[in-house]
Amino acid sequence: EDQVTQSPEALRLQEGESSSLNCSYTVSGLRGLFWYRQDPGKGPEFLFTLYSAGEEKEKERLKATLTKKESFLHITAPKPEDSATYLCAVQASGNQFYFGTGTSLTVIP
Amino acid sequence: NAGVTQTPKFQVLKTGQSMTLQCAQDMNHNSMYWYRQDPGMGLRLIYYSASEGTTDKGEVPNGYNVSRLNKREFSLRLESAAPSQTSVYFCASSEEDPRRFSTSNQPQHFGDGTRLSIL
Repeated sequence: EDQVTQSPEALRLQEGESSSLNCSYTVSGLRGLFWYRQDPGKGPEFLFTLYSAGEEKEKERLKATLTKKESFLHITAPKPEDSATYLCAVQASGNQFYFGTGTSLTVIP
Repeated sequence: NAGVTQTPKFQVLKTGQSMTLQCAQDMNHNSMYWYRQDPGMGLRLIYYSASEGTTDKGEVPNGYNVSRLNKREFSLRLESAAPSQTSVYFCASSEEDPRRFSTSNQPQHFGDGTRLSIL
């Protein structure tokens, strides 16, 4: 069964305290893995697409990496404005998308 | 630069009432999607339309119908609302064209959701 699991469910960091979010997946025929940011009352906002194991993408304080079984979203020296829920999604060979339940990140000044 | 626009933003219905959620995108995308988001469940796909004129069931289609009115618009209809359909509904679109492999792995762009409560 296709499945996406994110951990931890919630994470509180001090401003400047780096950490990583995890997304593990079991899907048949991965076509792509996507990271989104979701602010309260808003729709998910696209951050990164990863396709092949070993691939890395960076944007400001965020860096996403991909292995054959999981992806990490590394947050370096986070700021309060990075507080949001981060969602991971995979596109399987059947053309459908499967989302994880997200990690709620709070960055404390 | 509107992107994906959903209407209405909020709605309260009584059990058994019907309504249609509207979605329009201005990015000339081929594919459009309807999701529901519930606490602890993540986003779940209700229906999608890979291209104009086609629709397919997703993970949780029961109780819903969709119409791909044209390339821009994709509506979701609840014929007889039930309390279990209380949720936040998101519409999304992507460039994905299943006829062209080169458009694989295209991200989805989301609207800001419709918050629907059914009493």
